[in-house]
Amino acid sequence: GAVVSQHPSWVICKSGTSVKIECRSLDFQATTMFWYRQFPKQSLMLMATSNEGSKATYEQGVEKDKFLINHASLTLSTLTVTSAHPEDSSFYICSAPRTAQETQYFGPGTRLLVL
Amino acid sequence: AQTVTQSQPEMSVQEAETVTLSCTYDTSESDYYLFWYKQPPSRQMILVIRQEAYKQQNATENRFSVNFQKAAKSFSLKISDSQLGDAAMYFCAYRSAGGTYKYIFGTGTRLKVLA
Repeated sequence: GAVVSQHPSWVICKSGTSVKIECRSLDFQATTMFWYRQFPKQSLMLMATSNEGSKATYEQGVEKDKFLINHASLTLSTLTVTSAHPEDSSFYICSAPRTAQETQYFGPGTRLLVL
Repeated sequence: AQTVTQSQPEMSVQEAETVTLSCTYDTSESDYYLFWYKQPPSRQMILVIRQEAYKQQNATENRFSVNFQKAAKSFSLKISDSQLGDAAMYFCAYRSAGGTYKYIFGTGTRLKVLA
């Protein structure tokens, strides 16, 4: 079946550094991918829509300069958390729709801890 | 804007018994999709069941079924013959039918299954 992968599965970094998270659709192409953020014991909050070949669309309240999104190819989207701070520590999940099947697949998530 | 509400932060059910998780939503759209996702401790999002708004028949997947009341904007999930492996966070989600795959998630219900 269709799989969406994320790398790394978890990362620890120092405050002020940047961290890149990759989201790949493994056996299908996705012109659109989505990035969510999930705090402990909370729901998934949509951060942005990643669009292949064009700029990402950010949800209200999400800092586009802090969370850089690049949809480099039809199977890869990256989220870069720039100048990370402890409050950016969270669980980040991506998803990719397989439009031919009208189904969306979620990645396994990336746990980010900023010290 | 659409909203999804899950009023039960936590539910418990005895193994082999039946439990119903509640979800209500608000929308002015007539065509949309509703989903129930399961998030186990691994945090991988797993699709449990999906319902198209234009279908009057309630969706069923093995032990999982929904009670979709379009007029009341209610979408509850019934889990029959509960198993220990059903223990997880359950999220109700809404998606517009018009091409976008953006999901709006409820706050989640933590289901505990008692042996």
